[in-house]
Amino acid sequence: GEDVEQSLFLSVREGDSSVINCTYTDSSSTYLYWYKQEPGAGLQLLTYIFSNMDMKQDQRLTVLLNKKDKHLSLRIADTQTGDSAIYFCAASGYSTLTFGKGTMLLVSP
Amino acid sequence: DVKVTQSSRYLVKRTGEKVFLECVQDMDHENMFWYRQDPGLGLRLIYFSYDVKMKEKGDIPEGYSVSREKKERFSLILESASTNQTSMYLCASSIQTVTNEKLFFGSGTQLSVL
Repeated sequence: GEDVEQSLFLSVREGDSSVINCTYTDSSSTYLYWYKQEPGAGLQLLTYIFSNMDMKQDQRLTVLLNKKDKHLSLRIADTQTGDSAIYFCAASGYSTLTFGKGTMLLVSP
Repeated sequence: DVKVTQSSRYLVKRTGEKVFLECVQDMDHENMFWYRQDPGLGLRLIYFSYDVKMKEKGDIPEGYSVSREKKERFSLILESASTNQTSMYLCASSIQTVTNEKLFFGSGTQLSVL
Protein backbone atom coordinates (compact mmCIF):
# COMPACT_ATOMS: atom_id res chain seq x y z
CA GLY A 1 0.00 0.00 0.00
CA GLU A 2 0.85 3.68 -0.04
CA ASP A 3 3.51 4.90 2.38
CA VAL A 4 3.93 8.58 3.22
CA GLU A 5 7.01 9.78 5.10
CA GLN A 6 7.85 13.15 6.58
CA SER A 7 10.35 14.47 9.07
CA LEU A 8 8.99 14.71 12.60
CA PHE A 9 10.19 18.09 13.77
CA LEU A 10 11.18 21.53 12.43
CA SER A 11 12.16 24.60 14.39
CA VAL A 12 12.40 28.08 12.85
CA ARG A 13 12.52 31.69 13.97
CA GLU A 14 9.64 34.07 13.40
CA GLY A 15 9.97 35.78 10.01
CA ASP A 16 12.00 32.97 8.46
CA SER A 17 10.67 30.61 5.78
CA SER A 18 9.73 27.08 6.77
CA VAL A 19 9.98 24.12 4.43
CA ILE A 20 8.30 20.85 5.34
CA ASN A 21 9.11 17.87 3.17
CA CYS A 22 7.20 14.70 2.37
CA THR A 23 7.77 11.63 0.22
CA TYR A 24 5.18 9.13 -0.96
CA THR A 25 5.41 5.81 -2.75
CA ASP A 26 2.34 5.44 -4.96
CA SER A 27 2.90 7.25 -8.25
CA SER A 28 -0.81 6.92 -9.08
CA SER A 29 -1.81 9.28 -6.25
CA THR A 30 -3.91 11.89 -8.00
CA TYR A 31 -4.07 14.51 -5.29
CA LEU A 32 -1.66 15.41 -2.52
CA TYR A 33 -2.71 17.38 0.52
CA TRP A 34 -1.36 19.39 3.40
CA TYR A 35 -3.32 19.51 6.63
CA LYS A 36 -2.61 21.57 9.75
CA GLN A 37 -3.44 20.52 13.31
CA GLU A 38 -3.31 23.10 16.06
CA PRO A 39 -3.01 21.95 19.68
CA GLY A 40 -6.16 20.23 20.91
CA ALA A 41 -7.93 20.50 17.57
CA GLY A 42 -8.79 18.35 14.57
CA LEU A 43 -7.06 18.58 11.21
CA GLN A 44 -7.76 21.48 8.91
CA LEU A 45 -7.17 21.29 5.16
CA LEU A 46 -4.52 23.87 4.23
CA THR A 47 -4.02 23.25 0.56
CA TYR A 48 -3.79 20.51 -2.05
CA ILE A 49 -2.21 19.96 -5.42
CA PHE A 50 -3.26 17.91 -8.41
CA SER A 51 -0.61 15.49 -9.60
CA ASN A 52 -0.22 17.12 -13.01
CA MET A 53 0.91 20.39 -11.41
CA ASP A 54 4.43 21.28 -10.30
CA MET A 55 3.63 24.18 -8.04
CA LYS A 56 0.72 25.84 -6.34
CA GLN A 57 0.84 29.13 -4.46
CA ASP A 58 -1.73 30.36 -1.99
CA GLN A 59 -0.76 33.54 -0.16
CA ARG A 60 2.14 32.59 2.16
CA LEU A 61 1.96 28.92 1.19
CA THR A 62 3.82 27.35 -1.72
CA VAL A 63 3.46 23.68 -2.58
CA LEU A 64 6.07 22.06 -4.79
CA LEU A 65 5.57 18.64 -6.34
CA ASN A 66 8.31 16.56 -7.93
CA LYS A 67 6.34 13.68 -9.35
CA LYS A 68 9.40 11.88 -10.68
CA ASP A 69 10.93 11.71 -7.20
CA LYS A 70 7.53 11.44 -5.45
CA HIS A 71 8.48 14.40 -3.30
CA LEU A 72 6.14 17.07 -1.98
CA SER A 73 7.07 20.16 -0.01
CA LEU A 74 5.22 22.93 1.78
CA ARG A 75 6.91 26.30 2.10
CA ILE A 76 5.53 28.85 4.54
CA ALA A 77 6.88 32.35 3.93
CA ASP A 78 7.33 34.82 6.79
CA THR A 79 6.52 32.17 9.39
CA GLN A 80 4.58 33.44 12.40
CA THR A 81 4.20 32.03 15.92
CA GLY A 82 0.60 31.23 14.99
CA ASP A 83 1.94 28.78 12.41
CA SER A 84 3.22 26.53 15.20
CA ALA A 85 1.32 23.29 14.70
CA ILE A 86 1.60 19.77 13.34
CA TYR A 87 1.53 19.57 9.54
CA PHE A 88 0.38 16.38 7.84
CA CYS A 89 1.08 15.37 4.29
CA ALA A 90 -1.50 13.02 2.72
CA ALA A 91 -1.79 11.19 -0.60
CA SER A 92 -5.00 10.04 -2.27
CA GLY A 93 -5.32 6.31 -2.72
CA TYR A 94 -7.94 3.96 -4.09
CA SER A 95 -10.61 4.97 -1.63
CA THR A 96 -9.02 6.81 1.25
CA LEU A 97 -6.15 9.12 2.12
CA THR A 98 -2.86 7.89 3.50
CA PHE A 99 -1.34 10.31 6.01
CA GLY A 100 2.25 10.84 7.06
CA LYS A 101 3.03 10.87 10.77
CA GLY A 102 3.11 14.65 10.86
CA THR A 103 5.82 17.31 11.22
CA MET A 104 5.74 19.44 14.34
CA LEU A 105 6.64 23.02 13.42
CA LEU A 106 7.85 25.16 16.30
CA VAL A 107 8.19 28.88 15.63
CA SER A 108 10.18 30.87 18.16
CA PRO A 109 9.95 34.67 18.54
CA ASP B 1 -18.62 25.92 6.10
CA VAL B 2 -18.66 22.19 6.64
CA LYS B 3 -19.18 21.29 10.25
CA VAL B 4 -18.22 17.92 11.67
CA THR B 5 -19.25 17.61 15.29
CA GLN B 6 -18.01 14.99 17.71
CA SER B 7 -20.26 14.61 20.72
CA SER B 8 -17.58 14.57 23.42
CA ARG B 9 -14.27 16.38 23.70
CA TYR B 10 -12.99 14.24 26.58
CA LEU B 11 -14.17 10.84 27.78
CA VAL B 12 -12.95 8.66 30.63
CA LYS B 13 -14.11 5.05 30.68
CA ARG B 14 -13.24 1.87 32.53
CA THR B 15 -11.77 -1.29 31.07
CA GLY B 16 -14.51 -3.56 29.72
CA GLU B 17 -17.10 -0.82 29.24
CA LYS B 18 -18.94 -0.44 25.94
CA VAL B 19 -18.12 3.00 24.53
CA PHE B 20 -19.96 4.97 21.87
CA LEU B 21 -18.31 7.85 20.03
CA GLU B 22 -20.72 9.91 17.98
CA CYS B 23 -20.04 12.06 14.93
CA VAL B 24 -22.45 14.22 12.96
CA GLN B 25 -21.81 16.22 9.77
CA ASP B 26 -24.10 18.87 8.35
CA MET B 27 -23.07 19.02 4.68
CA ASP B 28 -24.78 15.95 3.27
CA HIS B 29 -21.45 14.22 2.65
CA GLU B 30 -21.59 10.62 1.50
CA ASN B 31 -18.28 9.52 3.03
CA MET B 32 -17.44 9.36 6.70
CA PHE B 33 -14.31 8.12 8.44
CA TRP B 34 -12.97 7.28 11.90
CA TYR B 35 -9.26 7.67 12.65
CA ARG B 36 -7.26 7.34 15.81
CA GLN B 37 -4.22 9.50 16.42
CA ASP B 38 -1.34 8.44 18.65
CA PRO B 39 2.01 10.17 19.25
CA GLY B 40 4.65 8.86 16.88
CA LEU B 41 2.12 6.83 14.89
CA GLY B 42 0.20 9.59 13.15
CA LEU B 43 -3.36 8.93 11.94
CA ARG B 44 -4.58 5.40 11.44
CA LEU B 45 -7.85 4.59 9.72
CA ILE B 46 -10.23 2.44 11.76
CA TYR B 47 -13.40 2.26 9.64
CA PHE B 48 -15.07 4.24 6.90
CA SER B 49 -18.44 4.38 5.23
CA TYR B 50 -19.52 5.40 1.74
CA ASP B 51 -23.22 5.33 2.33
CA VAL B 52 -25.93 4.64 4.86
CA LYS B 53 -25.65 1.15 6.30
CA MET B 54 -22.37 0.58 4.48
CA LYS B 55 -19.06 0.14 6.25
CA GLU B 56 -15.54 -0.80 5.28
CA LYS B 57 -12.63 -1.83 7.48
CA GLY B 58 -9.65 0.43 7.59
CA ASP B 59 -6.15 -0.44 8.71
CA ILE B 60 -6.86 -1.17 12.39
CA PRO B 61 -10.50 -2.32 12.83
CA GLU B 62 -9.85 -4.88 15.59
CA GLY B 63 -11.75 -4.11 18.76
CA TYR B 64 -14.03 -1.57 17.04
CA SER B 65 -17.31 -1.56 15.17
CA VAL B 66 -19.32 1.21 13.50
CA SER B 67 -22.89 2.14 12.75
CA ARG B 68 -24.28 4.38 10.03
CA GLU B 69 -28.06 4.40 10.25
CA LYS B 70 -28.41 7.94 8.89
CA LYS B 71 -26.34 9.76 6.31
CA GLU B 72 -25.25 12.50 8.67
CA ARG B 73 -24.27 10.30 11.61
CA PHE B 74 -21.40 7.83 11.98
CA SER B 75 -20.82 6.12 15.31
CA LEU B 76 -17.72 4.31 16.50
CA ILE B 77 -18.27 1.56 19.06
CA LEU B 78 -15.69 0.04 21.35
CA GLU B 79 -17.34 -3.25 22.32
CA SER B 80 -15.17 -3.79 25.41
CA ALA B 81 -12.79 -0.92 26.02
CA SER B 82 -9.18 -1.72 26.79
CA THR B 83 -6.32 0.49 27.98
CA ASN B 84 -4.60 0.26 24.59
CA GLN B 85 -7.59 2.05 23.09
CA THR B 86 -6.69 5.20 24.99
CA SER B 87 -6.21 7.66 22.16
CA MET B 88 -7.45 10.73 20.29
CA TYR B 89 -10.30 9.75 17.96
CA LEU B 90 -10.97 11.88 14.91
CA CYS B 91 -14.04 11.75 12.72
CA ALA B 92 -14.01 13.11 9.16
CA SER B 93 -16.35 13.42 6.21
CA SER B 94 -15.98 14.10 2.50
CA ILE B 95 -17.95 14.43 -0.70
CA GLN B 96 -18.05 11.32 -2.84
CA THR B 97 -15.57 11.67 -5.69
CA VAL B 98 -13.38 9.27 -7.59
CA THR B 99 -10.02 10.59 -6.55
CA ASN B 100 -10.22 13.83 -4.61
CA GLU B 101 -10.79 13.03 -0.98
CA LYS B 102 -10.84 16.42 0.70
CA LEU B 103 -11.53 15.45 4.27
CA PHE B 104 -13.18 17.71 6.82
CA PHE B 105 -12.38 16.79 10.41
CA GLY B 106 -14.11 17.16 13.74
CA SER B 107 -12.23 18.49 16.77
CA GLY B 108 -11.54 15.05 18.15
CA THR B 109 -12.46 13.01 21.23
CA GLN B 110 -9.68 12.27 23.70
CA LEU B 111 -10.60 8.91 25.21
CA SER B 112 -8.90 7.59 28.32
CA VAL B 113 -9.54 3.97 29.33
CA LEU B 114 -8.58 3.25 32.91
